[in-house]
Amino acid sequence: QVQLVESGGGVVQPGRSLRLSCSASGFTISTYGMHWVRQAPGRGLEWVAVIWYDGNNKYYADSVKGRFTISRDTSKNTLYLQMNSLRAEDTAVYYCASAWGSYIDYWGQGTLVTVSS
Amino acid sequence: DIVMTQSPDSLAVSLGERATISCKSSQSVLDTSNNKNYLAWYQQKPGQPPKLLIYWASSRESGVPDRFGGSGSGTDFALTISSLQAEDVAVYYCQQYYNTPLTFGPGTRVDIK
Repeated sequence: QVQLVESGGGVVQPGRSLRLSCSASGFTISTYGMHWVRQAPGRGLEWVAVIWYDGNNKYYADSVKGRFTISRDTSKNTLYLQMNSLRAEDTAVYYCASAWGSYIDYWGQGTLVTVSS
Repeated sequence: DIVMTQSPDSLAVSLGERATISCKSSQSVLDTSNNKNYLAWYQQKPGQPPKLLIYWASSRESGVPDRFGGSGSGTDFALTISSLQAEDVAVYYCQQYYNTPLTFGPGTRVDIK
């Protein structure tokens, strides 16, 4: 069955970088749109980025544009989120999610990123 | 960006009673070329990721109990739980996927009265 497992979260100082990974199984990410969605503690859901099936079309939320980069390695069936110039407001649980159609259907369990000095 | 709003912020319903959540989008999410509303509903329980309940505004995801129903078109949508069960206590989010950025409503918390 479809499984998404995020890793790479942790505590990082403001201005530093972190790379999140999402290992997928049960399907091939090159045939899906793949998203990152985050949730600050006690808050709602915020979409972060998407990489579409072709791997060339990528879109970002304005709040992360120019700082975050979404990518994938189809040979490893893994999605990434490179996060640079991190800010306190980036503190959140980051979810990896898949979209076989246009809508997000499966979610990982999430990885917590805490930006703090 | 399409802004999603939900009402109420929270509601408490007796077991077996109906719960209805409203969701409105700042612009239409109906694609007239295929007559599909690009609107989904998710359920999130504490400490868990969201779970897809409804897509295309009214299509129930496989395995979702039929007490969950979605309705609406254009800019006005609703999620109805026809007979609330204890396991339905959660926060419910609507989301538009008509265009990027994808946007979520602020969520509605459902509790037992």
